[in-house]
Amino acid sequence: DTAVSQTPKYLVTQMGNDKSIKCEQNLGHDTMYWYKQDSKKFLKIMFSYNNKELIINETVPNRFSPKSPDKAHLNLHINSLELGDSAVYFCASSQGTLKNGYTFGSGTRLTVV
Amino acid sequence: GQQVMQIPQYQHVQEGEDFTTYCNSSTTLSNIQWYKQRPGGHPVFLIQLVKSGEVKKQKRLTFQFGEAKKNSSLHITATQTTDVGTYFCAASGGSYIPTFGRGTSLIVHP
Repeated sequence: DTAVSQTPKYLVTQMGNDKSIKCEQNLGHDTMYWYKQDSKKFLKIMFSYNNKELIINETVPNRFSPKSPDKAHLNLHINSLELGDSAVYFCASSQGTLKNGYTFGSGTRLTVV
Repeated sequence: GQQVMQIPQYQHVQEGEDFTTYCNSSTTLSNIQWYKQRPGGHPVFLIQLVKSGEVKKQKRLTFQFGEAKKNSSLHITATQTTDVGTYFCAASGGSYIPTFGRGTSLIVHP
């Protein structure tokens, strides 16, 4: 039973395209996140959703838009993809005071060509 | 957001040697978490430290939180090849969302 699952695992696409990455968690957690990990492994938070409300939105381009149809899902939609968007995108979830930390999905490696 | 410095960036060790990674903040932290990411994998939560001077152990791993709650360390005794990966600290100050350090990549030579 995968706790946090995201699809697809790999995504290769051309500049200018629009793409979505899906994430689902079956842990009953109340908060979900999207992180971007660049080639130097730096993990940067992009979005956080709590009870379907956006509670933090770091300075990411507005080409990125999170969509949460319910507490168990947080999808990431990207418009007009650029070369610099190439990275690994991780979905994560957590509960309450983070006593048990984040649970990360396995990641989506996005390559823009 | 919270600024956290993690050193070293890379560490090569011979199998059996010890390893330590450090996280430092200029401000007092409310808590700090540690994660391990295997090559090609995703970060996996190891532990959270909350109390000043706290020390926790998990088998060969020892985690410390400084008395001033501004620094933390992860020490691995007698490294094994299975310890290979990148170790991240994630520090929380006043913000709800932790800030990740840049990670320390551990390379273990057999």
